[in-house]
Amino acid sequence: EAGVTQFPSHSVIEKGQTVTLRCDPISGHDNLYWYRRVMGKEIKFLLHFVKESKQDESGMPNNRFLAERTGGTYSTLKVQPAELEDSGVYFCASSQEWGDYGYTFGSGTRLTVV
Amino acid sequence: AQKITQTQPGMFVQEKEAVTLDCTYDTSDQSYGLFWYKQPSSGEMIFLIYQGSYDEQNATEGRYSLNFQKARKSANLVISASQLGDSAMYFCAMREPETGANNLFFGTGTRLTVIP
Repeated sequence: EAGVTQFPSHSVIEKGQTVTLRCDPISGHDNLYWYRRVMGKEIKFLLHFVKESKQDESGMPNNRFLAERTGGTYSTLKVQPAELEDSGVYFCASSQEWGDYGYTFGSGTRLTVV
Repeated sequence: AQKITQTQPGMFVQEKEAVTLDCTYDTSDQSYGLFWYKQPSSGEMIFLIYQGSYDEQNATEGRYSLNFQKARKSANLVISASQLGDSAMYFCAMREPETGANNLFFGTGTRLTVIP
């Protein structure tokens, strides 16, 4: 089966611009997660979708970040306007069941804000 | 407070030797899960091994084993017979289902370099 796909793999944007990251989970996985790793720090949870609903968005840093999951399939994470501190690697993961420990991660999107 | 602590930013190991990557965790829950992930230079996060807090035996997956010491709150990853392909970042993570959340808490990672 296809894994978790993230697009783009790299993005370089200027401060103040908008960027949209996309995640395609494994087909049939209701649970979708976004994480972020800022350089040299731990990977931090951003939010969790169950199908199209936001189950937990406690990790979203501020209202410049908007996540959507249309029809419970792919998800997008928009940063608008981007700031320098938003630079990092954004990971998406999916799992089939609630509580299933078999998370599958994508390869991440490396975002650089200059 | 940091929930997962990985105190080794970098580790070196000779090929074919064993190496232990340290991980300590902080939780007051009785039920929790511990994970190790590998991130090679290609970027993807690869699941390696899982240990549940109620599992009495240490988890093993091929050359990977998890040295689970509950009283010490440590979950060290042991890689036996290191291979060049083991060179990567390794992340320890924890899930606390009692909170009702299903997210993972990660450490800062350890970069392992296998020397030929």
